[in-house]
Amino acid sequence: GNSVTQMEGPVTLSEEAFLTINCTYTATGYPSLFWYVQYPGEGLQLLLKATKADDKGSNKGFEATYRKETTSFHLEKGSVQVSDSAVYFCALSDGSGNQFYFGTGTSLTVIP
Amino acid sequence: NAGVTQTPKFQVLKTGQSMTLQCAQDMNHNSMYWYRQDPGMGLRLIYYSASEGTTDKGEVPNGYNVSRLNKREFSLRLESAAPSQTSVYFCASISRGGSTDTQYFGPGTRLTVL
Repeated sequence: GNSVTQMEGPVTLSEEAFLTINCTYTATGYPSLFWYVQYPGEGLQLLLKATKADDKGSNKGFEATYRKETTSFHLEKGSVQVSDSAVYFCALSDGSGNQFYFGTGTSLTVIP
Repeated sequence: NAGVTQTPKFQVLKTGQSMTLQCAQDMNHNSMYWYRQDPGMGLRLIYYSASEGTTDKGEVPNGYNVSRLNKREFSLRLESAAPSQTSVYFCASISRGGSTDTQYFGPGTRLTVL
């Protein structure tokens, strides 16, 4: 079946530190991969996505590369800001596009 | 363009009471979804509607019913609420374009069942 496993949190970093949040997946077929961000009290917002192997999604300084050989989609940012504090979810969409599978979320706190 | 809206934002029920969570989207999306979010468990799909007039079960459908009233609206009903249904509920719709699909989420309904 389909599933997503992501790095346990919480993660606390100082401003301008480098961020990596690991995400691996199990899927049949050819999934699309996503990172969503959730700010306190809000719904999830799409951060970036990739639809096929070796694609790199990027947005707001965040990047993730779809690695089929390692079934991974790790989220990275070179220099985090306090405003990046949020919960980050890795997700995949199955080949049909009808169902999405989410990881458990990783809470990030950035301190000045 | 309001995106995905949900009502109510907060609700407290007693065990056995019923209620309906409302969701509407103004983006002309065909597919809509209901999720629940629980600590340490991420989002789990309750039901989805691939198009107007169709609904399908997701991972955790027991204790819930849904209605796709029209293309805009997708409601979630709890017939007899239980404490295990205390959760945050999110509605989402999908934009299907090109080679991938993007989900848009509502702000959520925080439900407590006593």
